[in-house]
Order: sequence, then structure tokens, then C-alpha cells
Amino acid sequence: DAGVTQSPTHLIKTRGQHVTLRCSPISGHKSVSWYQQVLGQGPQFIFQYYEKEERGRGNFPDRFSARQFPNYSSELNVNALLLGDSALYLCASSLEGGRAAYEQYFGPGTRLTVT
Amino acid sequence: GDSVTQMEGPVTLSEEAFLTINCTYTATGYPSLFWYVQYPGEGLQLLLKATKADDKGSNKGFEATYRKETTSFHLEKGSVQVSDSAVYFCALNTGNQFYFGTGTSLTVIP
Repeated sequence: DAGVTQSPTHLIKTRGQHVTLRCSPISGHKSVSWYQQVLGQGPQFIFQYYEKEERGRGNFPDRFSARQFPNYSSELNVNALLLGDSALYLCASSLEGGRAAYEQYFGPGTRLTVT
Repeated sequence: GDSVTQMEGPVTLSEEAFLTINCTYTATGYPSLFWYVQYPGEGLQLLLKATKADDKGSNKGFEATYRKETTSFHLEKGSVQVSDSAVYFCALNTGNQFYFGTGTSLTVIP
């Protein structure tokens, strides 16, 4: 079975631009979470979606938004990009959401570089 | 606020040595606790988990016990191998938020 897939693998954007990152969860998983990982740090939680509804949000500005589609895939959108948004963006899927998200499976990530 | 504090690295051990990586947490309520591992060139993988106080998670010879009285979830292995060289992350789930530690890099030398 396919694992969590993310696209694109790498992306270079200019300050002020907008970016959309995509994630497909493992088949049967209903929850998707997004994380930002800066080099040398642990992942920082951005959002969790479960059954197409936002179930959790980390400490990120409103420039960050996400949504989950009926097939449980998800998009992360970032507006007005800043240099500090350069990072690896990870998507993780799990069968359930919230406290029942015991086992998250991570994708390989999208490397975003903002110049 | 809620957080995870993880032992600073890097850690270098000889093969067959005993490993402890400390992790403490701050959280309201009853979070679930996890250890994730990232091997060189690979993505994050769940290593083990504990969902309530006094639970012991174990996998691949690694163990960690959820200690509510000391708010800790230390990772241990009795005899490390070269193949255990990786970055280890402690994490918690409060129900609507996930928190990861900064990671501890482990290198095991033959």
C-alpha cells in the first residue's frame, strides 16, 4: 500500500508570493496533520483536519490555511511568503483525529525555499 | 503552555552500550506520549507510544514509561547497535495539539 504522499518535493518561491502544498493520506485514514520543520528543530504543529473539519491549530499566523477534501486529501496554503517560511513541510495521516490520533504516518515532506 | 523538553545532543555511544534519552513534558489533562525516530535519509517513523499514566511503550528493544508524577517519558535501550544511529524525537498529543521536542541525534560507533 502507498504511504503518505506529498507534492511537490521541492519548491522555490519569492517573498510575497503564495504557495499550495498537497498531501494524500494513506488509504482509509481520515485525519491529516501539517507540520513545519526548520533544519535542526523538531516539527512544529500547524493544523489537524479530521473528516474535513479543522480539529486543531498551532501557533501560526493567519497567512497559513488548510483544507481537507472529501477524499481526505489536503492542501496547505501559505500567503504573503516570508523568508522565515523556508522549511520542510510535513504531512502526517492517521486513522482518527484528536486524542485518538495515536499513530501518525509521515510523508517525505515538501522542501520550500523562499528567496 | 504545553511543551516537550528533550535532552540535548548529540549523543555518541559505543555498540552494546546502554542508552537513555530524557524527555519531560508540560501539559494540562492527560496527553498521549510518543517517541519518533528519523533514520538518515528517511522520514519520521513512530517508534513507540503510551496513552495513559504508567503505560510502557516498547518496540525494537526500546522502552519508555509514561510517568505522570515526574511528567517524564524517557527513552531507554539496553544495548544499542550501529543501526540505531538516528535522530529521536519525543512528542505529545493533547487532543487538539501536537508538540515535538527538538530531537536528539544518536551516533553508535562499532
